[in-house]
Amino acid sequence: GENVEQHPSTLSVQEGDSAVIKCTYSDSASNYFPWYKQELGKGPQLIIDIRSNVGEKKDQRIAVTLNKTAKHFSLHITETQPEDSAVYFCAMPRSYNTDKLIFGTGTRLQVFP
Amino acid sequence: NAGVTQTPKFRVLKTGQSMTLLCAQDMNHEYMYWYRQDPGMGLRLIHYSVGEGTTAKGEVPDGYNVSRLKKQNFLLGLESAAPSQTSVYFCASRGTSLFVVQFFGPGTRLTVL
Repeated sequence: GENVEQHPSTLSVQEGDSAVIKCTYSDSASNYFPWYKQELGKGPQLIIDIRSNVGEKKDQRIAVTLNKTAKHFSLHITETQPEDSAVYFCAMPRSYNTDKLIFGTGTRLQVFP
Repeated sequence: NAGVTQTPKFRVLKTGQSMTLLCAQDMNHEYMYWYRQDPGMGLRLIHYSVGEGTTAKGEVPDGYNVSRLKKQNFLLGLESAAPSQTSVYFCASRGTSLFVVQFFGPGTRLTVL
């Protein structure tokens, strides 16, 4: 079945460095790719999304890139800060039922001061 | 505007007991979802609803039932709890347009002994 693989599972960076999280998917029909951030003890919250008609989208220190040929999309965080420490999930709609999202397994990002 | 709320926040059950988790949203959203989150497995969809009075199965529906009697509420029931149902449960809701964000509640941590 279709799935989305997310790497790495954990990522530790020094404050000010960049962080990159990558997701690879198996179904080429997907056309919407959101990223969620989950802080400790809270529910996931959307931070950025990208549609299949663009290759990159930026929002301040956060950017997402999409490569439909290679079937992967990535989250880039620049100038990381301690408050970026959280678990990040990629997601995409199931091709046979776009009412449902399939989530990656998550990346725990730790930003050290 | 409370967004998505979940009741209770924590619960401990004994094997075989039953309980109901309540999700409420005040955004007039048509779609509502129940997920479970387990370490290393991301978010997995249990059941969902595309409108009042409708429900549908997700990826891991066994052992759970749901009801959507009112548009703003989505109930998740465990008829006979098992230790394998120990997890953190999240409710989410969204509007009907394509490519719209799912808003998540704060979660319910359930332990089944």
